[in-house]
Amino acid sequence: EAGVAQSPRYKIIEKRQSVAFWCNPISGHATLYWYQQILGQGPKLLIQFQNNGVVDDSQLPKDRFSAERLKGVDSTLKIQPAKLEDSAVYLCASSGRVLNEQFFGPGTRLTVL
Amino acid sequence: AQSVTQLDSHVSVSEGTPVLLRCNYSSSYSPSLFWYVQHPNKGLQLLLKYTSAATLVKGINGFEAEFKKSETSFHLTKPSAHMSDAAEYFCVVSVYSGGYQKVTFGTGTKLQVIP
Repeated sequence: EAGVAQSPRYKIIEKRQSVAFWCNPISGHATLYWYQQILGQGPKLLIQFQNNGVVDDSQLPKDRFSAERLKGVDSTLKIQPAKLEDSAVYLCASSGRVLNEQFFGPGTRLTVL
Repeated sequence: AQSVTQLDSHVSVSEGTPVLLRCNYSSSYSPSLFWYVQHPNKGLQLLLKYTSAATLVKGINGFEAEFKKSETSFHLTKPSAHMSDAAEYFCVVSVYSGGYQKVTFGTGTKLQVIP
């Protein structure tokens, strides 16, 4: 089966600019996750969707970050405006049945200058 | 509430010697537990998972882990380290609660393998 797809793979922007990341999960997977992984740290959950509804966005900086999952399939994560501390790898993952493992995409490496 | 603690941020072993990466968890419900590996500049890959079946779980590349409920531990082991095992390893706890799967990552253990 095809894996989790993410684009772009790399992005360089200046602070205060906007950026968007796209994720296409594995077909049929109901749950989609966005993580932020800062260099040298573990992944931090930003937002979790079940189908097209949000089940956890407690760690999403809502003043600048937004995400949507239209039709319960692919998803977009946006940062507007970006700050220097947003430099990180943004990982998308999906999972199928309850208690099944997460499948991760390759990530988008964001550099904010 | 749930949490996971990886007891060592860095572990260094010689090639051919055993590997032990320690993980303790806390959960109000019966958890599922996972170990993921991340090689430099690569994505996260599942090594193995425990989901209430056998307590000794075998994974890829010769790794295994034992779920010990009495000790709330899920340590990762390998009998003989290989140079290609050098990577970061994450212990993850997952609980189905409130209608969805709640996932918590540990802070990671960086494994160095010395030739």
